[in-house]
Amino acid sequence: GQQLNQSPQSMFIQEGEDVSMNCTSSSIFNTWLWYKQEPGEGPVLLIALYKAGELTSNGRLTAQFGITRKDSFLNISASIPSDVGIYFCAGQGYDNNDMRFGAGTRLTVKP
Amino acid sequence: GAVVSQHPSRVICKSGTSVKIECRSLDFQATTMFWYRQFPKKSLMLMATSNEGSKATYEQGVEKDKFLINHASLTLSTLTVTSAHPEDSSFYICSARDGLAGYSGTQYFGPGTRLLVL
Repeated sequence: GQQLNQSPQSMFIQEGEDVSMNCTSSSIFNTWLWYKQEPGEGPVLLIALYKAGELTSNGRLTAQFGITRKDSFLNISASIPSDVGIYFCAGQGYDNNDMRFGAGTRLTVKP
Repeated sequence: GAVVSQHPSRVICKSGTSVKIECRSLDFQATTMFWYRQFPKKSLMLMATSNEGSKATYEQGVEKDKFLINHASLTLSTLTVTSAHPEDSSFYICSARDGLAGYSGTQYFGPGTRLLVL
C-alpha cells in the first residue's frame, strides 16, 4: 500500500516559535489532509488540500499541496501552549476508498 | 463542521465477552464509514471500510469474524469485537465520509472508544 513518511517525529519548541512539518509519499495523492489529535480524542481536521500547488491557511496554520502531488507541509506560526498534540498528515488517492496516515508529529510547546 | 459520535467512549470488559461500538454521523449521511485502531503513540491503522447496505471490506490481517461490522443505515455503523482478549485492548476510532461528496469527501472522525479487556 501507499506509504507516507512524516517528519519530524517530535518537536519541542518554545512558545512563540514557528513550526514546520512535512509528509512525503512514494505515490501520488489526490487529496492531502492535516489532522490534530489530542490525548484520548479522535483526530480533528485542520486543513484539506485538493489541488496540486494549493496553499491554504486556517488561522495560524498554513499547509501546501506539493506540485508533484507526492508531498505536503504544514506550518504553525507563533505557537501557543494549546497547539500541543499530535499532528497527522493523510493522503487520499483518487481511486482509493480510504486514507493513509503518516506516523504523526508530536508537538510540545513550552510556555 | 460535520459531527461524528461514538459510543461508548470507554469500555472495560472481561476476556471472552463481546463488545459493540457505535459510530454515528449526526448531521450528514455517510455512505461510507471507516474503522481504525490506534495503539499508544502510534498512527491510525485502517481496519475496515464499511459501506451502507453491503459487506465491509477488511484490510489484510484483520479478521472479519473477530471484528464484525454492520452499516445498516446512512448514519450508523457498528463494530463488534467478538470474544475479546487482552490483546484487543486499544483505541478504536471511526470516521465517516459525506455521501454527497463521493470519493473526494473529507473524512470526519469520531472521538474514539478506548477498550480495555481484562
